[in-house]
Amino acid sequence: NAGVTQTPKFRILKIGQSMTLQCAQDMNHNYMYWYRQDPGMGLKLIYYSVGAGITDKGEVPNGYNVSRSTTEDFPLRLELAAPSQTSVYFCASSSGRGTEAFFGQGTRLTVV
Amino acid sequence: DQQVKQNSPSLSVQEGRISILNCDYTNSMFDYFLWYKKYPAEGPTFLISISSIKDKNEDGRFTVFLNKSAKHLSLHIVPSQPGDSAVYFCAARGLSGYSTLTFGKGTMLLVSP
Repeated sequence: NAGVTQTPKFRILKIGQSMTLQCAQDMNHNYMYWYRQDPGMGLKLIYYSVGAGITDKGEVPNGYNVSRSTTEDFPLRLELAAPSQTSVYFCASSSGRGTEAFFGQGTRLTVV
Repeated sequence: DQQVKQNSPSLSVQEGRISILNCDYTNSMFDYFLWYKKYPAEGPTFLISISSIKDKNEDGRFTVFLNKSAKHLSLHIVPSQPGDSAVYFCAARGLSGYSTLTFGKGTMLLVSP
C-alpha cells in the first residue's frame, strides 16, 4: 500500500542550483498535483495534471516545471532555486476531478 | 484574495468535549467541500466531505455541516480525543473545467486530556 511516494524527504539547495522532486503513485489515478505549504499558510497549487501528457499551471507556477510522461510519475523541476522557494512540497493524486486526493509525506526544501 | 477562509488559527478543547472548526468561502461556484487532517511531518489525509446539495454528512465522530446561504461550513468532532490534535484544512472544489481544490490556511486543534 505505497499510495503516493515522494523523494527526497529533505533537501538543502544553494541559490541558483536546480533539482527535481520525484513523485510516484500506484493507484492508477489520472489526476496528480503539486502543492507547496509555507508556514502558517494553506496549500497552494503549483501545477497539476489530468493525465499522461497533460499538465497545467496552478496558482503559483513561476520558477517550476513539470512533466507527465506516465500515469504513475509526476516530477517537479526547480531550475534556478531561490530563497522564496523554501517550503514544504506535497504531491497528491486523485481518481477524479477535485475528489478526495491522497497526499505524499512531503519534501522539506530549504534554499540558502 | 482568499476564497476559502479559516479564521481561527488554533482551537483548544478538552478531551470528551465537542470541537467545532469553521470555514467560510466566497465563491458561490464551489460545489464540493472536503476536510483534511494533517499531523506534523506528514501529508494531509482526507477526513470527510460534503456535496453542495446536502447540508450535513456524518462519519462516526465527525460531522460536517454546510450552510450555503451563509457560505459557511463547519466540522464537528464529538467526542474529541487527544489523537485528534492536528491541523485541519478546509478545501473546496469549483464547478468548471478541471477545477482543483482550493485550501484554507488551516486550524490547529489541540485536545488536552
